[in-house]
Amino acid sequence: NAGVTQTPKFQVLKTGQSMTLQCAQDMNHEYMSWYRQDPGMGLRLIHYSVGAGITDQGEVPNGYNVSRSTTEDFPLRLLSAAPSQTSVYFCASSYMGMNTEAFFGQGTRLTVV
Amino acid sequence: GDSVTQMEGPVTLSEEAFLTINCTYTATGYPSLFWYVQYPGEGLQLLLKATKADDKGSNKGFEATYRKETTSFHLEKGSVQVSDSAVYFCALTLTSQGGSEKLVFGKGTKLTVNP
Repeated sequence: NAGVTQTPKFQVLKTGQSMTLQCAQDMNHEYMSWYRQDPGMGLRLIHYSVGAGITDQGEVPNGYNVSRSTTEDFPLRLLSAAPSQTSVYFCASSYMGMNTEAFFGQGTRLTVV
Repeated sequence: GDSVTQMEGPVTLSEEAFLTINCTYTATGYPSLFWYVQYPGEGLQLLLKATKADDKGSNKGFEATYRKETTSFHLEKGSVQVSDSAVYFCALTLTSQGGSEKLVFGKGTKLTVNP
């Protein structure tokens, strides 16, 4: 049982480069989301999706794009990387509903130089 | 807006000590409350949850009670082990104005337990 799979685990980018962080889940969850984790800031929501074809912005969406063409996949795109985007990124998925457990991937550590 | 405030870390304890990590929340509705734990190098995983006032969540010797009157959800464990060393996040879920749920996290508290 794979759960939530994120790739890559580590990435170094140069300022201005673009890349896509991949996230896939095999639990048929409707809800998927992306967070960034920075020291002293906890987890901050970047974008989320409540189903295929539906996405919305979270707390810190600037500089990131998402799409949800299938239930399973929710990629996060950095259009033009900046040093301020150096962070650890987590993808999460869950069933809809306030009481449900969120399942997290193992994270992608991104450094922008 | 809706938010979670938890005690600043880091917290360092000796094995078998009592643990309390304070968590309070601000919410316009009636949230569900969670504690997630992050072990070194891993993603977050659910530790326990409570969905209504006076509910007590418990798991692996950890407990937390949903206190509506004090808007709190403090995490406790009577006797910590070295293996409990991790970062602990208090969180809540609410239904947003658009109708979808959002999971809001506190900043996390790093716990180190020494043998």
